[in-house]
Amino acid sequence: GENVEQHPSTLSVQEGDSAVIKCTYSDSASNYFPWYKQELGKRPQLIIDIRSNVGEKKDQRIAVTLNKTAKHFSLHITETQPEDSAVYFCAASGMEYGNKLVFGAGTILRVKS
Amino acid sequence: EAQVTQNPRYLITVTGKKLTVTCSQNMNHEYMSWYRQDPGLGLRQIYYSMNVEVTDKGDVPEGYKVSRKEKRNFPLILESPSPNQTSLYFCASSYGTGKYEQYFGPGTRLTVT
Repeated sequence: GENVEQHPSTLSVQEGDSAVIKCTYSDSASNYFPWYKQELGKRPQLIIDIRSNVGEKKDQRIAVTLNKTAKHFSLHITETQPEDSAVYFCAASGMEYGNKLVFGAGTILRVKS
Repeated sequence: EAQVTQNPRYLITVTGKKLTVTCSQNMNHEYMSWYRQDPGLGLRQIYYSMNVEVTDKGDVPEGYKVSRKEKRNFPLILESPSPNQTSLYFCASSYGTGKYEQYFGPGTRLTVT
């Protein structure tokens, strides 16, 4: 089945700097890659997603890139702000098991002001 | 308001005492699932349901049961809880399968002593 690895596990950046979180997946048939943000004590919420027919997608300060050949995808946050501090999860959805979503272990992002 | 609700939000129980965590959604979603969140392990799927009376195992189903008698409800049952089931549990629903945005409930913090 699908396996998703996420790095780094923790990331500290200065306010205004950029942050990059990377994920690799194992199932070459996976074709949907969402990113979820979980603030402290809250539920995970979708912030951006990308499907395999697209190489990059942007939404204001966040962007996701996908390299299907290398089987990895990344989340880029520019001009980080304190409210970006949270746990970020990547995920991949493949063809088996009802298109099950498999999550990475998460990245704790701390934005220092 | 579109939402996923879970009850209870917090539960402390003893080993072996059967419990049920309820989950309900008002978005007419077909796909529902249960996840557990543990530090360093991300979100792992316990069970999922693609429609009424259709359920299947996720990655960590041992010790759990589910049922889907109505489209809106997807309860999680622990017949004989054990301390290794101490975790944060999230119910989620989506329009269809893992290839769509997952709407998470607020979470249930379970402690089994």
